[in-house]
Amino acid sequence: KQEVTQIPAALSVPEGENLVLNCSFTDSAIYNLQWFRQDPGKGLTSLLLIQSSQREQTSGRLNASLDKSSGRSTLYIAASQPGDSATYLCAGVTQGGSEKLVFGKGTKLTVNP
Amino acid sequence: DAGITQSPRHKVTETGTPVTLRCHQTENHRYMYWYRQDPGHGLRLIHYSYGVKDTDKGEVSDGYSVSRSKTEDFLLTLESATSSQTSVYFCAIKEGPRQPQHFGDGTRLSIL
Repeated sequence: KQEVTQIPAALSVPEGENLVLNCSFTDSAIYNLQWFRQDPGKGLTSLLLIQSSQREQTSGRLNASLDKSSGRSTLYIAASQPGDSATYLCAGVTQGGSEKLVFGKGTKLTVNP
Repeated sequence: DAGITQSPRHKVTETGTPVTLRCHQTENHRYMYWYRQDPGHGLRLIHYSYGVKDTDKGEVSDGYSVSRSKTEDFLLTLESATSSQTSVYFCAIKEGPRQPQHFGDGTRLSIL
């Protein structure tokens, strides 16, 4: 069974800190990785999609990496702000016609002023 | 934000009644997906579509059916709702292979 694991489940940091969120996956059918943020009661906002050929993607203060051989991805957030507080979800993109997403259960991030 | 509208946004209904959720997109994207999100389970795929009249089952499809008669609309139907189908339902769209999925704001469905 395909599984995506996110550690830690929750993280609380002071404003300004650099932080890393971790995502691991066990199935070789997962070949790309998409990161999302979800605010309470809201939908998912796509942050980054990393193709297996890219290894890294950057968007503003966010940097995501993907190591398919080890089944790991990290999301690095630089100079965290209270507005970054949300649940961050990683999802493995599976090979095949559907390219369905297999989601982790998320890391709830709180950035304290 | 991607042009995705889910309706209704909230619904309360009774066990045994039929329920239809609608996902409407203005992006003309080929792929559309229905997920449900539950505490302890995360997001799980119910059904997906890779074109008009082309649909297939996901991980948790039992008790659900879908239809896509035109590019912009993807309907999810619970033929006879059960309390276990109380959940938040999300629609997602994708332009093509190796493109990111984008999500709607969700429908909160309560079945009493």
